[in-house]
Amino acid sequence: TQLLEQSPQFLSIQEGENLTVYCNSSSVFSSLQWYRQEPGEGPVLLVTVVTGGEVKKLKRLTFQFGDARKDSSLHITAAQPGDTGLYLCAGIYNQGGKLIFGQGTELSVKP
Amino acid sequence: DAGVIQSPRHEVTEMGQEVTLRCKPISGHNSLFWYRQTMMRGLELLIYFNNNVPIDDSGMPEDRFSAKMPNASFSTLKIQPSEPRDSAVYFCASSLGRAAFFGQGTRLTVV
Repeated sequence: TQLLEQSPQFLSIQEGENLTVYCNSSSVFSSLQWYRQEPGEGPVLLVTVVTGGEVKKLKRLTFQFGDARKDSSLHITAAQPGDTGLYLCAGIYNQGGKLIFGQGTELSVKP
Repeated sequence: DAGVIQSPRHEVTEMGQEVTLRCKPISGHNSLFWYRQTMMRGLELLIYFNNNVPIDDSGMPEDRFSAKMPNASFSTLKIQPSEPRDSAVYFCASSLGRAAFFGQGTRLTVV
């Protein structure tokens, strides 16, 4: 069974703090994505990473793909209340187009 | 583009009744996914299609669940008979590559 383990599951921080969310698997991904979901809506794509060691930045968000393509991290600098939401990692494994999601990290940023 | 369109947005039904959820993917996308989201289990992949053909239905909980994709612009997920434990938010997503684009979901409540 292919599993994506995401941590932490819940995170409550103050505005201005930094945070990192982790996504790990024992299997190799052909690509990995990060999504953000708000209540009552479907997940929305933030970024896709493909190459081992790849780093992508989206304003205050930094995404990193592990060298072995088995893990990824999302780092948010100077979090704001608008960053509150459910962050999900998702991966496609080498066989086929099956897109599997981690359990998600529920982030709450308090003013 | 209108995005992925799901209907209905909300469905309340009695145990034992048949429920049909509908999805219109983004035009031109060749993959379609059905997911179920609950607090306990997160976002679970039920089935996915590629070029209208079911590729992996290993996530379908049991024989009460069935999915069809008669053409590139329409898919259905049917539950017959429905049970209270089927209550969840069901998402449809489509893709033309690595990233998936989600509909707003159908919130199903079985009483």
